[in-house]
Amino acid sequence: KAGVTQTPRYLIKTRGQQVTLSCSPISGHRSVSWYQQTPGQGLQFLFEYFSETQRNKGNFPGRFSGRQFSNSRSEMNVSTLELGDSALYLCASSLAWFGARADTQYFGPGTRLTVL
Amino acid sequence: GDSVTQMEGPVTLSEEAFLTINCTYTATGYPSLFWYVQYPGEGLQLLLKATKADDKGSNKGFEATYRKETTSFHLEKGSVQVSDSAVYFCALSPPTNTGNQFYFGTGTSLTVIP
Repeated sequence: KAGVTQTPRYLIKTRGQQVTLSCSPISGHRSVSWYQQTPGQGLQFLFEYFSETQRNKGNFPGRFSGRQFSNSRSEMNVSTLELGDSALYLCASSLAWFGARADTQYFGPGTRLTVL
Repeated sequence: GDSVTQMEGPVTLSEEAFLTINCTYTATGYPSLFWYVQYPGEGLQLLLKATKADDKGSNKGFEATYRKETTSFHLEKGSVQVSDSAVYFCALSPPTNTGNQFYFGTGTSLTVIP
């Protein structure tokens, strides 16, 4: 079974631009979560989508948004990029169902975003 | 709120040494507990997990026991190898279904020298 894939793997943008990152979960997984990883802050939860609905959201500004499609693929968008947005963005998928206990998350390799 | 506190790194060990990375958690009820490992330039990989008190997760020689009385989930390995050099993350999943948000520790960097 193929793992979680993320595209692109590397991205360089300049301040003020916007960026869209893509994540394809493991087949059959309906939950997709996004995390930002930086050396100073560690892993910080951005948001989670389940069945095309945002189910949970971390403490990030509105410039960070996401969506999920009917095939469970997810995209994350960051508008008006700032230098501090430079990070590794990780996507994770899970089987988690409504009413069921949260299950193991399987991570993709990440997208390395550099903002100049 | 729910949180994970993990031993500060970095940790440097000689090959075949014993490894312990401490992890304690704060949560109501019985969360699920996980250890993830991240190799350079890669995403996180699940190393092991435990879903209830006194469960022992194990994989690739690593072990961790879910201790409710001490709210701990320490990672151990009896004899580390150079290939174990990576960053290790302790994480918890809350018992209540508030979504699939995991709480991660800050990570412990391990370097094993020959």
